[in-house]
Amino acid sequence: EVQLVESGGGLVKPGGSLRLSCATSGFPFNTYSITWVRQAPGKGLEWVSSISSTSSSIYYADSVKGRFTISRDNAKSSLSLQMNSLRAEDTAVYYCARVGYCSGISCYGTELRFWGQGTLVTV
Amino acid sequence: QSVLTQPPSVSGAPGQRVTISCTGSSSNIGAGYDVHWYQQLPGAAPKLLIYGNNNRPSGVTNRFSGSKSGTAASLAITGLQAEDEADYYCQSYDNSLSGVIFGGGTKLTVL
Repeated sequence: EVQLVESGGGLVKPGGSLRLSCATSGFPFNTYSITWVRQAPGKGLEWVSSISSTSSSIYYADSVKGRFTISRDNAKSSLSLQMNSLRAEDTAVYYCARVGYCSGISCYGTELRFWGQGTLVTV
Repeated sequence: QSVLTQPPSVSGAPGQRVTISCTGSSSNIGAGYDVHWYQQLPGAAPKLLIYGNNNRPSGVTNRFSGSKSGTAASLAITGLQAEDEADYYCQSYDNSLSGVIFGGGTKLTVL
């Protein structure tokens, strides 16, 4: 069973830092790109950042560029999101999600096929 | 303001058919990028409903279907049931923003 479990959320003051983690199991983590998506209270979904399977390609939304850093540890099947210089508008539930599907070494699709349950960050 | 435009709300009676539109532009849907749809029940994480414009993941009922034409896509739900009451989001990619984009979400109310 594919599982993604976020942790590390909490209450932080503006200007502070927080590090989110996403632990995964049930699939070959080192094959898949992973994405962070957030949802402010009562609002819609917002893409935050994505990282390719080998970390060779990393992307950020303009709203977090220069403040957030995504990284992964393929040996531990885990993903991190380091969030610095936090602002009130960063308050949201943060989800990690697996991108597409892979067969062997070939991967297809841009859909977010599996999601974690989310972790709440309050600034 | 989301790059992809969805109606804030739609409603229908049990058994009816409803559609949710997702309008983009030449830098996203119109550029040929796939559209995906998610269902989010209250208090839960989003769940993939339709991928690659019109494909259903295993386990998703065939009451849900997707289509895409030009710079827009739509999600159709037939045989409306009370359990379908949720928020629905479309997702694609935008080459001018170089990133994933979502619609603003549509709240479906089953009357």
